[in-house]
Amino acid sequence: DAGVIQSPRHEVTEMGQEVTLRCKPISGHDYLFWYRQTMMRGLELLIYFNNNVPIDDSGMPEDRFSAKMPNASFSTLKIQPSEPRDSAVYFCASTHGRDSPLHFGNGTRLTVT
Amino acid sequence: GDSVTQMEGPVTLSEEAFLTINCTYTATGYPSLFWYVQYPGEGLQLLLKATKADDKGSNKGFEATYRKETTSFHLEKGSVQVSDSAVYFCALSPRGSYIPTFGRGTSLIVHP
Repeated sequence: DAGVIQSPRHEVTEMGQEVTLRCKPISGHDYLFWYRQTMMRGLELLIYFNNNVPIDDSGMPEDRFSAKMPNASFSTLKIQPSEPRDSAVYFCASTHGRDSPLHFGNGTRLTVT
Repeated sequence: GDSVTQMEGPVTLSEEAFLTINCTYTATGYPSLFWYVQYPGEGLQLLLKATKADDKGSNKGFEATYRKETTSFHLEKGSVQVSDSAVYFCALSPRGSYIPTFGRGTSLIVHP
């Protein structure tokens, strides 16, 4: 089991540019989550999917953020246009059952200058 | 709504000291409880869990007991090592739900 795979590990971009973060969940897991982690706010749930369908995106900060899951093995989180306050570590996580723990990727550290 | 409260860090200890990180929760019903650990540069990973009252979760020398009467799930280890330096997150998952609620995390620093 390769675990949850995220890419890139690090992304540095200039304000106004589009950023796309990628995630491959563990095979067989039917729930996928996107989190953002900062020192100020801690771990924030942005959006989660069940069977590739977005269930709750109330944590997405603004319309500049969008997420898709075109199939069971791939999801993207896009920020367009990016702003310096979007700088954070973004985590993807997946799980397969009720009351089961989440499996996290190693995150993408985003820096917007 | 559901919530998890952890003691603020950082917690700084010498190697072989006893560790306690406090965690209390507020939830309806009987949630499952978890401790996750985050090492530098990595994502969170499950450390231990308990799914019902009086259950004790344990892993790598860490233990936590699900205390319904005090709504607590304190993390303990009898003798910490430098390699235990990390951030520890307490979390709950409502019964029958996939969506966990995380605490703010507690940083542990262990000195040789």
